[in-house]
Amino acid sequence: DGGITQSPKYLFRKEGQNVTLSCEQNLNHDAMYWYRQDPGQGLRLIYYSQIVNDFQKGDIAEGYSVSREKKESFPLTVTSAQKNPTAFYLCASRPLAGEDNEQFFGPGTRLTVL
Amino acid sequence: AQKVTQAQTEISVVEKEDVTLDCVYETRDTTYYLFWYKQPPSGELVFLIRRNSFDEQNEISGRYSWNFQKSTSSFNFTITASQVVDSAVYFCALEVYNFNKFYFGSGTKLNVKP
Repeated sequence: DGGITQSPKYLFRKEGQNVTLSCEQNLNHDAMYWYRQDPGQGLRLIYYSQIVNDFQKGDIAEGYSVSREKKESFPLTVTSAQKNPTAFYLCASRPLAGEDNEQFFGPGTRLTVL
Repeated sequence: AQKVTQAQTEISVVEKEDVTLDCVYETRDTTYYLFWYKQPPSGELVFLIRRNSFDEQNEISGRYSWNFQKSTSSFNFTITASQVVDSAVYFCALEVYNFNKFYFGSGTKLNVKP
């Protein structure tokens, strides 16, 4: 089955620790995205990547870092510089060619800072 | 600048009622795409529909229908004969052609009561 997997589903972090959220897709999509969702709010773009070894900052990139070493993988690191990291994180991917240009989303990772 | 407004934060209806979710967008570009996504309590966003700016034809899919009006910059979503399973948060999104970024509204939480 093709799709997007995110792990872990739940993540707990102590203050001052860096944590990495995994996102893998087997849809052969070119572009991948990371969003943050806070309770009762919409999605805010953190980072996105259109091609391997290249990525761009979204609207709220401060305190986060990403890498895109493989087409299938787009991990997100939440650093200690992120002041309020408790949120729901969603990864998405999409093709950049063709008519089906919607984003496909993973199941999300809920991060809680203790 | 691009913007999507979903003015209805939360709507509650009784099962079998019809309900319309509003979406108003802003963009100066002439080529763009509009999307609706459903986010059930599990958290994963589910794609519902995509519409490009040159296609103002309304669409019906079962109990779901969408009304796209460029004159009012709106892309409203109607659920006919709502069911409890329709309870979710619904997001409207905008993408400007070749920009590769989605702009999401803040979402409308729909509660369908039995």
